[in-house]
Amino acid sequence: NAGVMQNPRHLVRRRGQEARLRCSPMKGHSHVYWYRQLPEEGLKFMVYLQKENIIDESGMPKERFSAEFPKEGPSILRIQQVVRGDSAAYFCASSPLQLEGNTIYFGEGSWLTVV
Amino acid sequence: GQQLNQSPQSMFIQEGEDVSMNCTSSSIFNTWLWYKQDPGEGPVLLIALYKAGELTSNGRLTAQFGITRKDSFLNISASIPSDVGIYFCAGPSGGSNYKLTFGKGTLLTVNP
Repeated sequence: NAGVMQNPRHLVRRRGQEARLRCSPMKGHSHVYWYRQLPEEGLKFMVYLQKENIIDESGMPKERFSAEFPKEGPSILRIQQVVRGDSAAYFCASSPLQLEGNTIYFGEGSWLTVV
Repeated sequence: GQQLNQSPQSMFIQEGEDVSMNCTSSSIFNTWLWYKQDPGEGPVLLIALYKAGELTSNGRLTAQFGITRKDSFLNISASIPSDVGIYFCAGPSGGSNYKLTFGKGTLLTVNP
């Protein structure tokens, strides 16, 4: 977990609001991955980004969800018009190269609660 | 898509006991990863396995990559209270080496 910073750690939103989750990768890492964990489930892949590029967004819901990793600043996962089913823990991970198994590091997560 | 089935779903053991849990898949994985997640935290990688038949240890933890490439086992010896948490197996799937598939986890409770 060391070094991958996520904020906010906990976020409460009303239905219909927007949620923005931020992830700063470990120093020197240029690859970022977002995963979602629903209650009592394992993590599920959402999106893989490099600086200014979305490499694979096959796990992202088709609507309301978007992700970016700008040249400067953290990666952002944005959820528009949140619904109760979006309540989950969202984890960011980073790696120095494309994932090589033991070089992926997860952050401590952002817990989103939609009320 | 590929799925990983973990068993047991939960375990209640006494401090000092040994623990064994496993992970199976209907399809082949070329890498097996074992993570531990504490409440309110992100998963932490415990052991990575890259070769069929490989047996790897990390302190009191030992994991094996099954010969068939469709299963893996994690053993914890002489459990202690801080072993409490959820243990996940995972592996790259979908033809990529970055898209991890996770099992649903084994919840371990250790009674002092």
